[in-house]
Amino acid sequence: GDSVTQMEGPVTLSEEAFLTINCTYTATGYPSLFWYVQYPGEGLQLLLKATKADDKGSNKGFEATYRKETTSFHLEKGSVQVSDSAVYFCALSAFSGGGADGLTFGKGTHLIIQP
Amino acid sequence: AAGVIQSPRHLIKEKRETATLKCYPIPRHDTVYWYQQGPGQDPQFLISFYEKMQSDKGSIPDRFSAQQFSDYHSELNMSSLELGDSALYFCASSLKSQRMVLEQYFGPGTRLTVT
Repeated sequence: GDSVTQMEGPVTLSEEAFLTINCTYTATGYPSLFWYVQYPGEGLQLLLKATKADDKGSNKGFEATYRKETTSFHLEKGSVQVSDSAVYFCALSAFSGGGADGLTFGKGTHLIIQP
Repeated sequence: AAGVIQSPRHLIKEKRETATLKCYPIPRHDTVYWYQQGPGQDPQFLISFYEKMQSDKGSIPDRFSAQQFSDYHSELNMSSLELGDSALYFCASSLKSQRMVLEQYFGPGTRLTVT
């Protein structure tokens, strides 16, 4: 079945450091890929997405590129802020034709940014 | 912008009781998804609905059932509650496409505690 593997944390960085959170996937077919962020006590917010190979999703300074050859969708940000502290989930959805397929999530990466 | 609404936000039940969670999707969204997130875990897909019909099924226990109504809101019914059912339950909504996966938008969740 489909699966998502991402580095588990916590990942602790200093403010203004460069961030990379690795994500690789296994899926039949051609999935769409997503990054969601969850702040403490809150729901999941869509951060960015990519629907085909070489697509780059970007939002709020975060970027991720859909790499079909390496089955990866790594999240990057050039300069993190304390407010970026949260749990980040990589997720995929493989289109089955029904159009309402559930997301498969990775285990989540807890990111802590220190001032 | 209007978001997904879930009620109640918190619910405390005893073992063997029943619970009903409600979800109101973003206006004009016709597809609803349910997820369960245990403490420190990634969200697990339970079930989805489009146009009142079940669309995709994940790891939903037989004790749980769900439905979608004509106004697109959905209810998750949980019976014979067990301690292990204590979790955050998220509802998400999206538009349905016959051609591609569309992003899901999550509600704030219902925190269910079974004692």
